[in-house]
Amino acid sequence: DTGVSQDPRHKITKRGQNVTFRCDPISEHNRLYWYRQTLGQGPEFLTYFQNEAQLEKSRLLSDRFSAERPKGSFSTLEIQRTEQGDSAMYLCASSLSGSSNEKLFFGSGTQLSVL
Amino acid sequence: RKEVEQDPGPFNVPEGATVAFNCTYSNSASQSFFWYRQDCRKEPKLLMSVYSSGNEDGRFTAQLNRASQYISLLIRDSKLSDSATYLCVVYNQGGKLIFGQGTELSVKP
Repeated sequence: DTGVSQDPRHKITKRGQNVTFRCDPISEHNRLYWYRQTLGQGPEFLTYFQNEAQLEKSRLLSDRFSAERPKGSFSTLEIQRTEQGDSAMYLCASSLSGSSNEKLFFGSGTQLSVL
Repeated sequence: RKEVEQDPGPFNVPEGATVAFNCTYSNSASQSFFWYRQDCRKEPKLLMSVYSSGNEDGRFTAQLNRASQYISLLIRDSKLSDSATYLCVVYNQGGKLIFGQGTELSVKP
């Protein structure tokens, strides 16, 4: 399967712990996005990369969140000192930029539950 | 004000009905527009792009009104399999794609 893959699919953690999620995009895609989605809401933009460069980070994102894409391939999203409000589905998507008609391909997401 | 706003749902319609979803966006510099479909507990998938001249794909028709900053999706002859959440997506300058909150559609027999 050459689609976007995310790991883990599910993560349960205690409040205050750190968690890290991984995303492997489609290999030829140069853009990678992270979104967060809660029940009944659309995906909320967190950050995105073009190759290894992080081009934008949502102002809604606290300093506890950090994302990297060190070699322009896979990406990690880390949440430090998790809070119950961080519980959500974290979605990764990739695309091949070059025009404004780029199509996003999503992974299946990582469901985070903070107890 | 949210950057992208959609009709609140859910929409409950019988099979064969025609249903329309509306979406407004706040950034007049937005460049491209899309409708995505999301099935329950699944990831979003592209349904169709929205072009200025309007476009159709089978039973689905998308319209864009740049002057009013308004996008619509029309589904004709609804099928049970159309039941899903429909997400309006706007591509802004710099490459950021912003999603609306989604409109849930439930098609009943």
